[in-house]
Formats: sequence, C-alpha cells, structure tokens
Amino acid sequence: DAGVTQSPTHLIKTRGQHVTLRCSPISGHKSVSWYQQVLGQGPQFIFQYYEKEERGRGNFPDRFSARQFPNYSSELNVNALLLGDSALYLCASSWVGETQYFGPGTRLLVL
Amino acid sequence: RKEVEQDPGPFNVPEGATVAFNCTYSNSASQSFFWYRQDCRKEPKLLMSVYSSGNEDGRFTAQLNRASQYISLLIRDSKLSDSATYLCVAPNQAGTALIFGKGTTLSVSS
Repeated sequence: DAGVTQSPTHLIKTRGQHVTLRCSPISGHKSVSWYQQVLGQGPQFIFQYYEKEERGRGNFPDRFSARQFPNYSSELNVNALLLGDSALYLCASSWVGETQYFGPGTRLLVL
Repeated sequence: RKEVEQDPGPFNVPEGATVAFNCTYSNSASQSFFWYRQDCRKEPKLLMSVYSSGNEDGRFTAQLNRASQYISLLIRDSKLSDSATYLCVAPNQAGTALIFGKGTTLSVSS
C-alpha cells in the first residue's frame, strides 16, 4: 500500500510569492494534518482537516491556509512568503485516533 | 512548563550501550503518547505508542509515569542504525494535533 505522498519534494521561492503544497493520505485515512519543521526543532502543528472540515489550527498567521478535497487529499497554501517560512512541510494522515503517519515532506526554501 | 520538553542531547554512545531518553509533558489529561524516530532530512516515523504504563518492542522500552508527567525511552544493545533523532510526542488538549518535543539526537559509534 502506498504511504502518504507529498508534492513537490523541493521548492524554491522568493519573498512575497505564494506556494501550494499537496498531500495525498494513506488510502482509507480521512484525516490530514500539516506541520512545519524548521532546522533543529520538532514539527509544529499548522492545521488538521477531517472529512473536509478544519478541526484544528496551530499558531500560524492567516497567510497560511489549507483545504481538504472529497478524495481526502489536501493542499496547504502560504501567501506573501517570508524568509522565515523556509522549512520542511510535513503532511500526516490518520484514520481514527491519534496515530499519525507522515509523508516525506516538501522542503521549501524562500530567498 | 513547555508542552513537551526533551533533553536535546546529543547522546554519543558506543555500540552495545544502553541509553535512556527522558521527556516531560504539561497536559495532565493526555491519554496517549508517542515516540517517533527521525533520520537526517527524512520524515518522522512512528517508533512506539504508549497508552498505559509502558510498552516494549524488542530492544526498545517506553515507560510512562502519569503522576510525574514523564515519559522515557530506553534503548538496549544500541546499534549503529539507531543513530537518529528521537521525538517525544503528546496530543494537544483538543486532541486535534500532535505536540512534538525538539527531539533528542543519538549517535552510536563502533
């Protein structure tokens, strides 16, 4: 079975641009969560979606938004990119409960 | 107190050593905890779940002390392949997110 997939794997953007990151969960999983991981830190929670509804939001500015589609895939959008948005963006999926399985991540570099 | 706090290390141990990592959490209502392993430039991978007093899987043992709000991970007979960052994880109060510690780095040498 395929695990969580994310695209693109790497991305380079300049300040002020916007970016869209994509995630496909494990088949059968209805919940998708997004995390940001900067170097030397643990992942930080951005959003959780379940059945296309936002269930949780972390302490991130409104420049960050997300949505979940009927097939349970998800997009994370970041507007007006800042240098500090450079990070590994991780998507995790889960079925029920809290065990989350992570995709390989998208490495974003903002110049 | 931070939500999840870990000793960042690094822990440098020889092959065959026993090493223990500690983690404290602030949400006393949390019922489940996790240890994830993260290799350099890779995604976190679930190592163990901890739902009651503890869990054991081969060389790995996780223990939970609810009174002290403390979780530990013990690795026996360390292998070179155990070199990684170990992340202690607890759910947030709403149960909608995982809260990660900063991670503890382990380096096992021959």
